[in-house]
Amino acid sequence: KQEVTQIPAALSVPEGENLVLNCSFTDSAIYNLQWFRQDPGKGLTSLLLIQSSQREQTSGRLNASLDKSSGRSTLYIAASQPGDSATYLCAASNTGNQFYFGTGTSLTVIP
Amino acid sequence: ETGVTQSPTHLIKTRGQQVTLRCSSQSGHNTVSWYQQPLGQGPQFIFQYYREEENGRGNFPPRFSGLQFPNYSSELNVNALELDDSALYLCASSLGRGPYNEQFFGPGTRLTVL
Repeated sequence: KQEVTQIPAALSVPEGENLVLNCSFTDSAIYNLQWFRQDPGKGLTSLLLIQSSQREQTSGRLNASLDKSSGRSTLYIAASQPGDSATYLCAASNTGNQFYFGTGTSLTVIP
Repeated sequence: ETGVTQSPTHLIKTRGQQVTLRCSSQSGHNTVSWYQQPLGQGPQFIFQYYREEENGRGNFPPRFSGLQFPNYSSELNVNALELDDSALYLCASSLGRGPYNEQFFGPGTRLTVL
């Protein structure tokens, strides 16, 4: 069974700082990896999807990378803003049509 | 393009009762997945429906059941509610049933069991 881990569980940074969120998974036979943002009590907003054949995806200030061989993905956020404060979740898909989620990293950007 | 919608937003039930949650998939999407997210945890897969048939199930007991309708909307039914069923229930739709497909989530239904 796929196990997904996110470290750190919580992160607090001053506004303007660049930061990296980490996601690791135990089964490298993934089809894709998706990063989500979740505001308190809300649903998930898709940020980036990386297919297994890809190494990275970029959207605005966000860049996600994928290294299947080491079982790792990172989400890089450039020039962080207070509006980036949220919980960030990664999810990996294997066979069985489900996504396996980590427990998330709670990010606070201090003005 | 209409996104994924869920109803109701919040729900309070007592132990032993039954509940039905509803989800409308994003326009053009034929696959719906349901997830349970307890407070402080990541979402956990309950099951997936593709063209009105169950297409994969997570580690949840049979009292969690579902339906998908011809318009691809879906229901999640939970019988004999337990206190541990209190959680945010998320619905996700995708274009196709394979694990390659990006999932788009609704805002969720917050269920509280007293």
